[in-house]
Amino acid sequence: TQLLEQSPQFLSIQEGENLTVYCNSSSVFSSLQWYRQEPGEGPVLLVTVVTGGEVKKLKRLTFQFGDARKDSSLHITAAQPGDTGLYLCAGAYRSNTGKLIFGQGTTLQVKP
Amino acid sequence: DAGVTQSPTHLIKTRGQQVTLRCSPKSGHDTVSWYQQALGQGPQFIFQYYEEEERQRGNFPDRFSGHQFPNYSSELNVNALLLGDSALYLCASSLGIGLLSGNTIYFGEGSWLTVV
Repeated sequence: TQLLEQSPQFLSIQEGENLTVYCNSSSVFSSLQWYRQEPGEGPVLLVTVVTGGEVKKLKRLTFQFGDARKDSSLHITAAQPGDTGLYLCAGAYRSNTGKLIFGQGTTLQVKP
Repeated sequence: DAGVTQSPTHLIKTRGQQVTLRCSPKSGHDTVSWYQQALGQGPQFIFQYYEEEERQRGNFPDRFSGHQFPNYSSELNVNALLLGDSALYLCASSLGIGLLSGNTIYFGEGSWLTVV
């Protein structure tokens, strides 16, 4: 059962375009994390959001946690080819657990 | 400072065989979790080890077992391999079992298992 739904699953855009990836669930999460994974490598943490409505920025990436802590979004401004990769959201139900529930991922391709 | 290291990086097994995958956590970390990532999917939690005990387990059959050693390294064992066990197996380490503020989970590069 996939408890975290990511959309879109695939995204191919031109360099300079903006994009948003969504992560939705019917469950409330204690925290939600976004990872980026490149081929042949493990996921690398980009950000953790813990407070409903929280917005965090990492250079051209903006992450938002929904008010009810059931959803999140990742917005990339002026995408670059170096942004290409698999983006994963992952939620934790409780802060005292290391178990992460991952979405199925969004494969992003940014063409020069 | 070495990150999470896993071995082997790639291996091929036959249905019915058994496999052991190994993981050394990032220096200073005491907790190891294992995830299975099928092609085109997000990782799925298998189990977590802390203080040499299995602390949490995901929805995986008993064919999947593990162990944590006193030096915090860990092994994942899979018995009676099925074709569907073909996947990338990721090891993740952290300090403590929770995801408290500032506690980051680090992933290794994974072990690619192909069952034929």
